[in-house]
Amino acid sequence: QVQLQESGPGLVKPSQTLSLTCNVSGGSISSADYYWSWIRQPAGKGLEWIGRIYNSGTTNYNPSLKSRVAISIDTSKNQFSLKLSSVTAADTAVYYCAREVRWPPFYFDNWGQGNLVTVSS
Amino acid sequence: QSALTQPASVSESPGQSITISCTGTGSDVGGYDYVSWYQQHPGKAPKLIISEVSNRPSGVSNRFSGFKSGNTASLTISGLQAEDEAYYYCCSYTGGSTLGLFGGGTKLTVL
Repeated sequence: QVQLQESGPGLVKPSQTLSLTCNVSGGSISSADYYWSWIRQPAGKGLEWIGRIYNSGTTNYNPSLKSRVAISIDTSKNQFSLKLSSVTAADTAVYYCAREVRWPPFYFDNWGQGNLVTVSS
Repeated sequence: QSALTQPASVSESPGQSITISCTGTGSDVGGYDYVSWYQQHPGKAPKLIISEVSNRPSGVSNRFSGFKSGNTASLTISGLQAEDEAYYYCCSYTGGSTLGLFGGGTKLTVL
């Protein structure tokens, strides 16, 4: 059974860059059958898809965040990463990494436990 | 694009059934049979319970069922149990640059 685990700082200062990594175990991140996604959830609010990456490095981003987001993949380490630049308090949220089935599209069958990131000086 | 519309909260007694709606548009829910549902207990990660409108992943109770009519998808939970008390989110593929949308979430209370 594949497992995903987020890691990274829990506190980021405003205007700085949020960086998180998702380690994948129990399965290969190079699998042709999946995308690897980031999703966030502000406290008491709903889910927001941030973006995804395929094993080839091809990415798709939520247009509302596209100018600030970069997702990368390291197949040798079986992990993928998120960078979100110029953060503000509005970016405070629990950040989840998730495995997205390649087709049919846009459903997430495995999730990490989440990493709370607070943006504050 | 706006989030899909779900009722903020619903409640029902144990043993009863309840249906949670998820309303979108012809560009998302109505346009594709790619609606999924997630259950989230407080402090936990979401868990996939329905994919492609009505498919249950292995291990998910058959008390959960999904349906779609037009621009509205529905999740029905039968034989409600205390453990079903959670938040439920719908999600739909949109095919556009956003790729997909989540609903705002519904809090289910089992009285």
